[in-house]
Amino acid sequence: GQQLNQSPQSMFIQEGEDVSMNCTSSSIFNTWLWYKQDPGEGPVLLIALYKAGELTSNGRLTAQFGITRKDSFLNISASIPSDVGIYFCAGYTGANSKLTFGKGITLSVRP
Amino acid sequence: DARVTQTPRHKVTEMGQEVTMRCQPILGHNTVFWYRQTMMQGLELLAYFRNRAPLDDSGMPKDRFSAEMPDATLATLKIQPSEPRDSAVYFCASGLTPDGRGSYNEQFFGPGTRLTVL
Repeated sequence: GQQLNQSPQSMFIQEGEDVSMNCTSSSIFNTWLWYKQDPGEGPVLLIALYKAGELTSNGRLTAQFGITRKDSFLNISASIPSDVGIYFCAGYTGANSKLTFGKGITLSVRP
Repeated sequence: DARVTQTPRHKVTEMGQEVTMRCQPILGHNTVFWYRQTMMQGLELLAYFRNRAPLDDSGMPKDRFSAEMPDATLATLKIQPSEPRDSAVYFCASGLTPDGRGSYNEQFFGPGTRLTVL
C-alpha cells in the first residue's frame, strides 16, 4: 500500500530559526495535506496542495507539492514556541482513495 | 465557529465493557471518518461514511467494532466487548466531498476520545 515517509521523528530548533520538513513516497499522490497536532488535541489542517509544483503559504508556513508528485515539503519560518507539536503529512493517490498519513515529526522549539 | 465535536473526551473502562463514542460532524459536511491513533501505529483509518452510507470499514475489527450514522449530525463508534489493546485515542473527522469527485476533500478532525481499557 501507499506509505508516506517522514523523518526524522523529532526535530529540535531554536526560537527564531527556520525549519523544513519533507514527506516522501514511492507512489504518486494527487493531493497533499499538512496537519499539526497539539498535545491532547486532534490534527488541525494547515495547508492543502492540489497541483504538482504548487507553492502555498499560510502565515509563516509554506508548503510545496513536488513536481514528481511523490514528495512535499513544509517550511516554517521564524519559529516561535507555539510551533511545537507533531506535524503530519497526508495525501490522496487518486479518486476514492483513502487519506494516507505519515508517522509525523515532533517539533520542539527552544526559547 | 464550525468544529467537529466528540464525546466523551476521556473514557476509562474495564475489559469486556461496551464503549460508545460519539461524533458530531461539521454541519453540512457529507463525509465522516473514524481514526485510531496509537504511538506504534500512528493514525489508522477505521471506517468512513459518505452521505451517511458506510463506504469502507475494512480497518475495523468487525467482531467487536461497529460504526453507524443514525442521522447526518451524529456518528457513533462502538466497541463491544472492549479489550486492553483497544486503548488509544479515537478521532472523528468530517469533510465535504462534491459528489462525483471521490475523496478529494480536506478532513477536519475533532479533539478525540482517549480510551483506556483496563
